[in-house]
Amino acid sequence: EVKLLESGGGLVPPGGSLRLSCAVSGFTFSNYAMGWVRQAPGKGLEWLSTISGDDADTFYADAVKGRFTISRDNSRSTLFLQMNSLRAEDRGTYYCAKALYYETDAFVVWGQGTRVTVSS
Amino acid sequence: QSVVTQPPSASGTPGQRVTISCSGSSSNIETYTVNWYQQLPGTAPKVIIYANNQRFSGVPDRFSGSKTGASASLAITGLQSEDEAEYYCAVWDDRLRGVVFGGGTKLTVL
Repeated sequence: EVKLLESGGGLVPPGGSLRLSCAVSGFTFSNYAMGWVRQAPGKGLEWLSTISGDDADTFYADAVKGRFTISRDNSRSTLFLQMNSLRAEDRGTYYCAKALYYETDAFVVWGQGTRVTVSS
Repeated sequence: QSVVTQPPSASGTPGQRVTISCSGSSSNIETYTVNWYQQLPGTAPKVIIYANNQRFSGVPDRFSGSKTGASASLAITGLQSEDEAEYYCAVWDDRLRGVVFGGGTKLTVL
């Protein structure tokens, strides 16, 4: 069974940093692109970033470019999102997701999400 | 304002057929395949249609997807109360070099 488990969310002051992790199991991690999607309270889904399976390519939404960094450790089957210079508008639930295969494909498996609150 | 546009709401009675549209442009829907996600209240999204018209494993055949030019649609036939949820279309955008989600359509089963 394919599983994705996010961790690392929490309360952080504006300007602070957090590192989210997504531990996966049930598939060959390095064969698939992975991404992060967030959802602000009461709002829609917002794509943040995608990384190719071989770690060669990364893509970012303008809203987080330069502040967030996606990475992966294929030896540990873990996806990361380093979030710096956090703002109040970064508050929400952060989901990691597995692509069908490539970065342009659908996200076919999602984690349960981890909550991030940015407040002083 | 999202790059791809969905109606904010849709509704139908049990047994009816409803459709949800997703309108984009040459840099996204016209070029790449469209995916549809269902999000039940308080839960993570899940894919129901990928690559324009492919039902994901376990998705009832009441759900179907189609695409023409720069527009796509999700159709649900034989509407059931359990279909009440938020539905999102999503597609890769060449100009933005990333995924764009529609704003979501809240489906109400009357």
